Amino acid sequence: EPEVTQTPSHQVTQMGQEVILRCVPISNHLYFYWYRQILGQKVEFLVSFYNNEISEKSEIFDDQFSVERPDGSNFTLKIRSTKLEDSAMYFCASRTLMNTEAFFGQGTRLTVV
Amino acid sequence: KQEVTQIPAALSVPEGENLVLNCSFTDSAIYNLQWFRQDPGKGLTSLLLIQSSQREQTSGRLNASLDKSSGRSTLYIAASQPGDSATYLCAPNTDKLIFGTGTRLQVFP
Repeated sequence: EPEVTQTPSHQVTQMGQEVILRCVPISNHLYFYWYRQILGQKVEFLVSFYNNEISEKSEIFDDQFSVERPDGSNFTLKIRSTKLEDSAMYFCASRTLMNTEAFFGQGTRLTVV
Repeated sequence: KQEVTQIPAALSVPEGENLVLNCSFTDSAIYNLQWFRQDPGKGLTSLLLIQSSQREQTSGRLNASLDKSSGRSTLYIAASQPGDSATYLCAPNTDKLIFGTGTRLQVFP
């Protein structure tokens, strides 16, 4: 069964460093998303991506964040200069159409020290 | 802005009970609604997708209902088991999923 794959599963980085979180969505999907979940809190929307551009972003998604779909398979989230408060689980999701089921990856746990 | 509330926040029950988890949302212009399960420290497992045109959707011991006009969905879990212990999240979908804070379920033997 097709699945969304995220790498790495866990990343530890020093404050101020850049990190790139990687996702491989399901191959025929057209809509892509990043979410984050700070420990003990709810899952929060960060950004949606369609047709090679951002379609919507939340207030959390400031200038320190960017997304890319550099080729036909990968979808990345970059944090330019990490802060302690960026420590969270980051989830990637994809779906074919707006009204179809969204499939989530298993997440990348980012720890900023 | 979509706001999603889940009640109760936590539930602890003996094995075998039938359970009702509630979800309410403020923006009823949804395409569908998904229910997820999340084990501690783990990812999101999709349980059920219920389209806006549907009233109910069933998968095994799980049954989800949707009343779009009143902004409510309910997840029924029949004959609960200790393996059902997890946090259950509902996520109505407008152009993106917005998650509730979840119901933390513990089923004890």
